[in-house]
Amino acid sequence: AQSVTQLGSHVSVSEGALVLLRCNYSSSVPPYLFWYVQYPNQGLQLLLKYTSAATLVKGINGFEAEFKKSETSFHLTKPSAHMSDAAEYFCAVSGDNAGNMLTFGGGTRLMVKP
Amino acid sequence: EPEVTQTPSHQVTQMGQEVILRCVPISNHLYFYWYRQILGQKVEFLVSFYNNEISEKSEIFDDQFSVERPDGSNFTLKIRSTKLEDSAMYFCASSWDSGTQYFGPGTRLLVL
Repeated sequence: AQSVTQLGSHVSVSEGALVLLRCNYSSSVPPYLFWYVQYPNQGLQLLLKYTSAATLVKGINGFEAEFKKSETSFHLTKPSAHMSDAAEYFCAVSGDNAGNMLTFGGGTRLMVKP
Repeated sequence: EPEVTQTPSHQVTQMGQEVILRCVPISNHLYFYWYRQILGQKVEFLVSFYNNEISEKSEIFDDQFSVERPDGSNFTLKIRSTKLEDSAMYFCASSWDSGTQYFGPGTRLLVL
């Protein structure tokens, strides 16, 4: 069975500071990994995905994530936070099932202080 | 840019009533999904649908739930007899293949 753990349900950073949101996964097969963002009262928007190509994946809005198989991690980073980055971020994994089910982590709410 | 749409955006119903949540997936996609998110909790998989049949379902997706693709564009989730604990945000998603799933904006269901 696959699972995702996001360390830190809330992360607060100052505007301009580094953003680091942590994600660890477990999967019995090579995984597909995703980061989605959810702005208040909106749906889930894909930020980026890893599908066994380059281990460093660049996404929208300046975010990137690095797949580290040895650490079973897929942490999300952004060099400089903007106020508009305040949202909930979800890490998800798929691959360990026939129906392409996504298993989500618990989410991390990012707050950006001026 | 094509997107997944869902209607209604909000639905309030009485316990025991039937509800149908509607989704229009991206037009050339082949895989369809429903997820739900109870307030304050993680997003949970309900069901996936491919080639006009369910390909996988979770423990949540019991006999009270059903899905249907009645025509070439809509994908519906029916809850036959709603319970208080069915109150949640329900997300539809679609994908072209087994890769990226694109999500709709969700339907917020409130069961009273």
